[in-house]
Amino acid sequence: GESVGLHLPTLSVQEGDNSIINCAYSNSASDYFIWYKQESGKGPQFIIDIRSNMDKRQGQRVTVLLNKTVKHLSLQIAATQPGDSAVYFCAEITSPPFSGGYQKVTFGTGTKLQVIP
Amino acid sequence: DTEVTQTPKHLVMGMTNKKSLKCEQHMGHRAMYWYKQKAKKPPELMFVYSYEKLSINESVPSRFSPECPNSSLLNLHLHALQPEDSALYLCASSQLAEGETQYFGPGTRLLVL
Repeated sequence: GESVGLHLPTLSVQEGDNSIINCAYSNSASDYFIWYKQESGKGPQFIIDIRSNMDKRQGQRVTVLLNKTVKHLSLQIAATQPGDSAVYFCAEITSPPFSGGYQKVTFGTGTKLQVIP
Repeated sequence: DTEVTQTPKHLVMGMTNKKSLKCEQHMGHRAMYWYKQKAKKPPELMFVYSYEKLSINESVPSRFSPECPNSSLLNLHLHALQPEDSALYLCASSQLAEGETQYFGPGTRLLVL
């Protein structure tokens, strides 16, 4: 089930089940979105990305869905494994005009995924 | 090689100390970033360098002083920090082009006493 803790929403899933992590973003002008996975004591790790002109993208065991109408992003993980336990952040990316290509990344609040063996 | 390295992994410093955090990448990325992350919170952008020049300073206090000596290195000089500055400091890098992924280092966990 899904619960909201003091600071970080937590999603608990049984090993082998599918997980769905949701994210609401704020800037309708964002060009590009990324899902990052952050394990304890490590930096964020890229999982999958999607551009604003797409609504779905699939990777290995992961799928990202983008609904621009309601500014909503979701990450689906198939056959969740114990190694998937981590905090997942969505991030919206904009490249300011005349910036030469550097990115401004705004992270969502994060969801902690706990996989029950 | 998609690795961003950061040193030290952990740092404890007093409020009167001067210390530096270091970040290195050899992916040829010309954009480098510093983020601050408090426990159970998302990373917050502090600084962006592009072509070794400071492009963004997100209203960071002057007790944090970034430096980009060359295209592979990024430093963060710390002086007269406060206990509330204790956090995980993350470095990232990316190509300078739209839609390019930022790669993050493992971070330096800083404790200010």
